[in-house]
Amino acid sequence: DVKVTQSSRYLVKRTGEKVFLECVQDMDHENMFWYRQDPGLGLRLIYFSYDVKMKEKGDIPEGYSVSREKKERFSLILESASTNQTSMYLCASLGIWGTEAFFGQGTRLTVV
Amino acid sequence: EDKVVQSPLSLVVHEGDTVTLNCSYEVTNFRSLLWYKQEKKAPTFLFMLTSSGIEKKSGRLSSILDKKELFSILNITATQTGDSAIYLCAVPKGNAGNMLTFGGGTRLMVKP
Repeated sequence: DVKVTQSSRYLVKRTGEKVFLECVQDMDHENMFWYRQDPGLGLRLIYFSYDVKMKEKGDIPEGYSVSREKKERFSLILESASTNQTSMYLCASLGIWGTEAFFGQGTRLTVV
Repeated sequence: EDKVVQSPLSLVVHEGDTVTLNCSYEVTNFRSLLWYKQEKKAPTFLFMLTSSGIEKKSGRLSSILDKKELFSILNITATQTGDSAIYLCAVPKGNAGNMLTFGGGTRLMVKP
């Protein structure tokens, strides 16, 4: 009954590497989101997409980019990973009428 | 500016206590308010509220929305240690394709 799947649970990358985090949903949702979650800071929105090839910056887009070539897939890209991007990354999807949002299982990224 | 604010930030209670968590919001084109429980992994959905005054209930958890005063509460009765978690509320914003905004969360710890 998996609805939102993130490609990795745990990742360890080196500073300067290009990192791809993938998210796939099977609910035909228009809206998809990438958040990062850090202790004491809650969930912070990085980017969201409301349609294929459409994207909007969230609260903390610096150092990140996204890609949505197909409706079911939303990718988060760290162009040049830095240690301050060590975090839990959560993908979510939401239907057009603002109903229940589903989350992926999260990716814990460590940049060394 | 749209915002979602939760209180208290954290709460420590003993098993059997009743707790009330608060979520206030200011968003344009309000459609719904969502409650999530987050333990060690990704948030899991609890309730979606769209109408004022109608209580949603699931076991020992219940929630209600007040659209006039712009807040929602989540009640947990007869708390158990398994209720220890971060509780998040979120509001899909009406503009730009239902961007999902989260409050900062309430960290609940239930002691035996």
